[in-house]
Amino acid sequence: AQSVTQPDIHITVSEGASLELRCNYSYGATPYLFWYVQSPGQGLQLLLKYFSGDTLVQGIKGFEAEFKRSQSSFNLRKPSVHWSDAAEYFCAVSRDRDDKIIFGKGTRLHILP
Amino acid sequence: SAVISQKPSRDICQRGTSLTIQCQVDSQVTMMFWYRQQPGQSLTLIATANQGSEATYESGFVIDKFPISRPNLTFSTLTVSNMSPEDSSIYLCSAIRWAEQYFGPGTRLTVT
Repeated sequence: AQSVTQPDIHITVSEGASLELRCNYSYGATPYLFWYVQSPGQGLQLLLKYFSGDTLVQGIKGFEAEFKRSQSSFNLRKPSVHWSDAAEYFCAVSRDRDDKIIFGKGTRLHILP
Repeated sequence: SAVISQKPSRDICQRGTSLTIQCQVDSQVTMMFWYRQQPGQSLTLIATANQGSEATYESGFVIDKFPISRPNLTFSTLTVSNMSPEDSSIYLCSAIRWAEQYFGPGTRLTVT
């Protein structure tokens, strides 16, 4: 069965600094990978997804993620964070486009002014 | 895109009672799922709602506690039975259409 590990429960960065959130997946075949964001009291928003093709995926709000099969990773990056990026970030994996999505435990991002 | 609505949006219930949550999608979808998000936690998949047949439950979830129906391609219900305070969570419906997964706004349940 597929699974996702987000090793960092909390991450704190200063506004304007770069960001990288880690995600490792476990799945025997090529996975379908997602990053979602959830702001306090808000619903889930899809930042980006990887199905196939170019391993560097661009998303909304200036985020990008890189799929590295050799490392079973799909880390999320942003070159310069804004205070509004403070939220919970979830990495997720699926076996197929039309299959259930399994979520990691999430990383809470804090932004220092 | 698909728009998903859930009813109720929130409820406060007494322990031992049951609550049925409705999920309505604005157009036909291939797959529907129910998730639970306990306070401060991630989303945990409860089950896949299968149209016209019994739901497929994930490990740790059983039909007696979380009966699910999906009578057609746009509607599903989740019942939280014999509730306890540990069932206090946000319950989210999601659906897939054309390889895109959409999430409902969630139902915030508090059990006292």
